[in-house]
Amino acid sequence: EDKVVQSPLSLVVHEGDTVTLNCSYEVTNFRSLLWYKQEKKAPTFLFMLTSSGIEKKSGRLSSILDKKELFSILNITATQTGDSAIYLCAVGPSGTYKYIFGTGTRLKVLA
Amino acid sequence: DTEVTQTPKHLVMGMTNKKSLKCEQHMGHRAMYWYKQKAKKPPELMFVYSYEKLSINESVPSRFSPECPNSSLLNLHLHALQPEDSALYLCASSHRAAGVRTGELFFGEGSRLTVL
Repeated sequence: EDKVVQSPLSLVVHEGDTVTLNCSYEVTNFRSLLWYKQEKKAPTFLFMLTSSGIEKKSGRLSSILDKKELFSILNITATQTGDSAIYLCAVGPSGTYKYIFGTGTRLKVLA
Repeated sequence: DTEVTQTPKHLVMGMTNKKSLKCEQHMGHRAMYWYKQKAKKPPELMFVYSYEKLSINESVPSRFSPECPNSSLLNLHLHALQPEDSALYLCASSHRAAGVRTGELFFGEGSRLTVL
């Protein structure tokens, strides 16, 4: 059965800290991995990863995929209170439109 | 601002009511999705339409009936729902990205449904 597991489930840090969120997966015929940030409503897209070892970066956020070890990490440097959210990882098997979501990591950044 | 628009934002209905959720996107995406999200849980896939045809039905009860009238619109018709169907219903769309069958999901803001 296809599975996506995120860790930690929740995390509390102080502003300025660096955090690393993990997403591991067991998916038949992996196609792509997506990272989303969800605050109160809709998840907002962060990164899409399809190739191993290539870092995607956007400001203080970056992500990398390891297709051999079947995981991805999302790094947030110099965290701000506005980074407080649930971070979702989703994996898409090839040949289907189906994305499988992990349970998410709830991040709280304290001022 | 999201380019996927969902209406209504909030809906309260009784178990005997019939209502519909609507979703619209003008990004030219040809895949559209309905997800259900309960509190503190990840989104769960319900339906996928590809080129206006139902591609995936994740064994959703028949009291939920999807419809895709055209490539920009997606509806979810609701009838005889149960209180446990109360949730945030998210619509999403996606397009083909280079080298992969489908790109990232673009989500609407969701319709928060309460069934009394």
